[in-house]
Amino acid sequence: NAGVTQTPKFQVLKTGQSMTLQCAQDMNHEYMSWYRQDPGMGLRLIHYSVGAGITDQGEVPNGYNVSRSTTEDFPLRLLSAAPSQTSVYFCASRQTGGRYVGNTIYFGEGSWLTVV
Amino acid sequence: AQKITQTQPGMFVQEKEAVTLDCTYDTSDPSYGLFWYKQPSSGEMIFLIYQGSYDQQNATEGRYSLNFQKARKSANLVISASQLGDSAMYFCAMREAWMDSSYKLIFGSGTRLLVRP
Repeated sequence: NAGVTQTPKFQVLKTGQSMTLQCAQDMNHEYMSWYRQDPGMGLRLIHYSVGAGITDQGEVPNGYNVSRSTTEDFPLRLLSAAPSQTSVYFCASRQTGGRYVGNTIYFGEGSWLTVV
Repeated sequence: AQKITQTQPGMFVQEKEAVTLDCTYDTSDPSYGLFWYKQPSSGEMIFLIYQGSYDQQNATEGRYSLNFQKARKSANLVISASQLGDSAMYFCAMREAWMDSSYKLIFGSGTRLLVRP
């Protein structure tokens, strides 16, 4: 079972460079999201999507773009990396369909990004 | 606005003993859900247990149980018979439930648990 797959696991960028964090899930989940994890702050929602072609902003969207062309994939783009974007990034997915459906959220293994 | 508070940045517990990790929350939505996740040193987030605001009984999953006190707005995680493999970071989280499509999961800052042999 692949679940949620994130790549790359580790990346070092120079300030101003662009890159894309890939996220794919094989569970046919409609809902996908990206979080960043910083020390002492838990996880914060960057962007999320409730289906192909539909995306919306979370708590900390600035500096990030997303798109959802297929159900399976939800890439996160950093257009011009800044040191403040040094963090661990998690992709997550779940089912949708009601208050008590999709209570289990599946996380990827995380992507460690350093911007120098 | 929804908020999750974990006041214990770090805790120790002796192997085979029980430990309680605290979590308090704040929401004006009468319908919500509470989660606990474990994050070992390898980094992945592992779902442990879920409690819905309308659930009559406290959730249990093996050695994990959730002490849900709705009036106090607390959702403490109890780990019974601690094992060395329980050493990890633990996160409490809450979901907004007023509109399913906006399903945002709000996280606390986490508690690092270290199990002593």
